[in-house]
Amino acid sequence: DVVMTQSPLFLPVTLGQPASISCRSSQSLVYSDGNTYLNWFQQRPGQSPRRLIYKVSNRDSGVPDRFSGSGSGTDFTLKISRVEAEDVGIYYCMQGTHWYTFGQGTKLEIK
Amino acid sequence: EVQLVESGGGLVEPGGSLRLSCAASGFTFSNTWMSWVRQAPGKGLEWVGHIKRKTDVGTTDYAAPVKGRFTISRDDSKNTLYLQMSSLKTEDTAVYYCTTDHDGGMDAWGQGTTVTVSS
Repeated sequence: DVVMTQSPLFLPVTLGQPASISCRSSQSLVYSDGNTYLNWFQQRPGQSPRRLIYKVSNRDSGVPDRFSGSGSGTDFTLKISRVEAEDVGIYYCMQGTHWYTFGQGTKLEIK
Repeated sequence: EVQLVESGGGLVEPGGSLRLSCAASGFTFSNTWMSWVRQAPGKGLEWVGHIKRKTDVGTTDYAAPVKGRFTISRDDSKNTLYLQMSSLKTEDTAVYYCTTDHDGGMDAWGQGTTVTVSS
């Protein structure tokens, strides 16, 4: 099974400041079709998860452009350029190349 | 607007069975791969399994912890996804989400239905 490891697991951020979450996979996420199926999800308190990013760097419809994804192979990053109060929640990376595996989650809170 | 509405959750004893349903609307259900994802209380997300569209043979795949006990099916005439769970264990206690499956990930989620396995 592919193991997804996120860091940090807890992320206190000042409003308006940037934030960054790292996600590392135990094997390459490049699929035979050339795509890399790495997703990022946000789960606000008491809500269902919502996908933010697919295939490493593509934002889903309605996702603010302050969210961006990058990376390749086994190392990936989610960046928030300026954190807003509504960004509080837990962020998960997930690989969809070798079935599906989620990271442990990173809890973002406002300092 | 895509809508996914799960139902069928509840309290069941260990060893028991339960069937969850997911009513889909706002998209072409028959043309969409569908997944179930669960979240144990206070824990992270875990993929349960998925079912492909019939044009992709409609096959199913399951995560190791549920393989042989859970069965995913679909009724494209009713735009409904199902999760039949049997031989339930206490560790199956979770909120179960129905999701669409696009571009190697889950792009729409329902509100979830809670399954509690306890004596």
